Amino acid sequence: AQSVTQLDSQVPVFEEAPVELRCNYSSSVSVYLFWYVQYPNQGLQLLLKYLSGSTLVKGINGFEAEFNKSQTSFHLRKPSVHISDTAEYFCAVSDRFGGSEKLVFGKGTKLTVNP
Amino acid sequence: EAGVTQSPTHLIKTRGQQATLRCSPISGHTSVYWYQQALGLGLQFLLWYDEGEERNRGNFPPRFSGRQFPNYSSELNVNALELEDSALYLCASSPNRGQPQHFGDGTRLSIL
Repeated sequence: AQSVTQLDSQVPVFEEAPVELRCNYSSSVSVYLFWYVQYPNQGLQLLLKYLSGSTLVKGINGFEAEFNKSQTSFHLRKPSVHISDTAEYFCAVSDRFGGSEKLVFGKGTKLTVNP
Repeated sequence: EAGVTQSPTHLIKTRGQQATLRCSPISGHTSVYWYQQALGLGLQFLLWYDEGEERNRGNFPPRFSGRQFPNYSSELNVNALELEDSALYLCASSPNRGQPQHFGDGTRLSIL
């Protein structure tokens, strides 16, 4: 079985500051990794994905994440945040070869960007 | 390109009633997934349909069911509604296995 732990439930930062949202996963098999963002009263929007290849993944809105297999982590980073980045962020994994296709999500991290 | 569309946006029911939620995937996507986002429980996988067949099911009772139509749209049915079924139900689609899932804006189901 897979599980995802998002280490911070809430992260407050000031505008233009860097931010890192932490994600660790547990799995006995190879996985795909994803970060999604959810704005109030909306669904989930895919920020970025790691399927294979380079461990540094760049996504939309200036976000990037690094896959670290030895530490089973997939932390999300942005060098300078904007007010509009205020949202909830979810890390997710899926089984690479098992064919179950379901996404297992972390509990989410609420990012609040203050002026 | 139109995204995943879900209807209705909001649905209010009472205990014991039945609810039907609908989802249209992105054009060309054959897989449809359903997730429940309940307060305090996070996002939980419900069902996966691919090519008209149910391929996988999460840890939910049988009163949660669904189907996928020949045009790949899908509906989720919840029978004998209980108060704890109140949640945002999200539908996602992907073009095939192993590809990222794209989500709709959800149907908020409220049970009174």
